[in-house]
Amino acid sequence: LAKTTQPISMDSYEGQEVNITCSHNNIATNDYITWYQQFPSQGPRFIIQGYKTKVTNEVASLFIPADRKSSTLSLPRVSLSDTAVYYCLVEGFQKLVFGTGTRLLVSP
Amino acid sequence: DVKVTQSSRYLVKRTGEKVFLECVQDMDHENMFWYRQDPGLGLRLIYFSYDVKMKEKGDIPEGYSVSREKKERFSLILESASTNQTSMYLCASTEPGTGGSYNEQFFGPGTRLTVL
Repeated sequence: LAKTTQPISMDSYEGQEVNITCSHNNIATNDYITWYQQFPSQGPRFIIQGYKTKVTNEVASLFIPADRKSSTLSLPRVSLSDTAVYYCLVEGFQKLVFGTGTRLLVSP
Repeated sequence: DVKVTQSSRYLVKRTGEKVFLECVQDMDHENMFWYRQDPGLGLRLIYFSYDVKMKEKGDIPEGYSVSREKKERFSLILESASTNQTSMYLCASTEPGTGGSYNEQFFGPGTRLTVL
């Protein structure tokens, strides 16, 4: 079974850039990488998805190196409301493998 | 506003009981999923369905079954609940994406099931 690994927790301060890296050594050729955010008592919420190189939207950037064995979610200038658990997901045909989640704590 | 609803937020059942968890989506999505979420383990896929009456096993299907009689509704069934099935259960729906992946999944709020 494919494995998706990410740090258990990270700490940051308001206004800083946060980078969360996910390792997915067994990623298949057609798999995509997706990141979700989850607040307590809620279901996860989509942040961003990519296949290779760099993808950017209004809330985050996703960096994927050429070998695609890892990916990095970048959150620019975090605020207190970004305190949440962030999940990396490797998805392909009938395949959905979530990481164990990274708990991000943003302090004032 | 898109919506995925789950029948209960909290549920307490006894060992051996048959448990039904219901999920309804109003986005006319083809794909629906059931996950369980446990501390330190993240989300693990139990079953998914890509069409009415179609189902596929995920990574941890043992002890569970599913039913999808209508497009908008996907049910998770615990035939004989056990204490190791105490968990948070999350339902999600989405449309197929490109290249075999999926588009954004929309999750329900979850059902916290306790089996005594």
